[in-house]
Amino acid sequence: DVQLDESGGGLVQPGGSLRLSCAASGFTFSRYEMNWVRQAPGKGLEWVSYISSSGSRVYYADSVRGRFTISRDNADNSLYLQMDSLRVEDTALYFCARVSSPNSYDISTTYYVPYPFDFWGQGSLVYVSS
Amino acid sequence: DIQMTQSPSTLSASVGDRVTMTCRASQNIRGWLAWYQQKPGKGPKLLMYEASKLISGVPSRFSGSGSGTEFTLTIKSLQADDFATYYCQYYKGYSAFGGGTKVEIK
Repeated sequence: DVQLDESGGGLVQPGGSLRLSCAASGFTFSRYEMNWVRQAPGKGLEWVSYISSSGSRVYYADSVRGRFTISRDNADNSLYLQMDSLRVEDTALYFCARVSSPNSYDISTTYYVPYPFDFWGQGSLVYVSS
Repeated sequence: DIQMTQSPSTLSASVGDRVTMTCRASQNIRGWLAWYQQKPGKGPKLLMYEASKLISGVPSRFSGSGSGTEFTLTIKSLQADDFATYYCQYYKGYSAFGGGTKVEIK
């Protein structure tokens, strides 16, 4: 069975850093694009970041660009989110999410077919407060 | 960046009702639109992709339509299990979610 297990969340002061991890199992991790999505308490979903299957291409939401870094270790079946210069408004439950189908083509090509997110972890809570 | 806007934000309905919610994109996203259902304390569940393709196992009372900038999700006959919050999502590398439509009991 596909499983995604986030860890690394916690309480941090504004300006601080945290590194979230997402351990993947039950599928060939290296073939799948991955994402981070967050949800502030009582609020809606906000996409945070995308990484290609090889890790060579990454995208960020405007709200986190320049402060967060997404990465992956395909040998270890792990996804990461390094969060620096944290702000109070970054307080949220952070989910890792898998793109539902492997892509044979890079996103920059006309042959790339987008897919939505089919499996989500249970989330890791990040609380930014002084 | 593409913005997604859902309406209404809350929808009050009864079991058996037909309900429709709308999702608008700030620019043409062709058909790269998914719908998710989320219940309190749980992660989102994928219902539909490419605007109208139902995920295996999702009841046929759910249907989607639209392309370009305007999309709808319809639940033909609302069941007790359908009271939840629904999100639309643009997906193609960059992604964006709508603000959600909460379907509550009337």
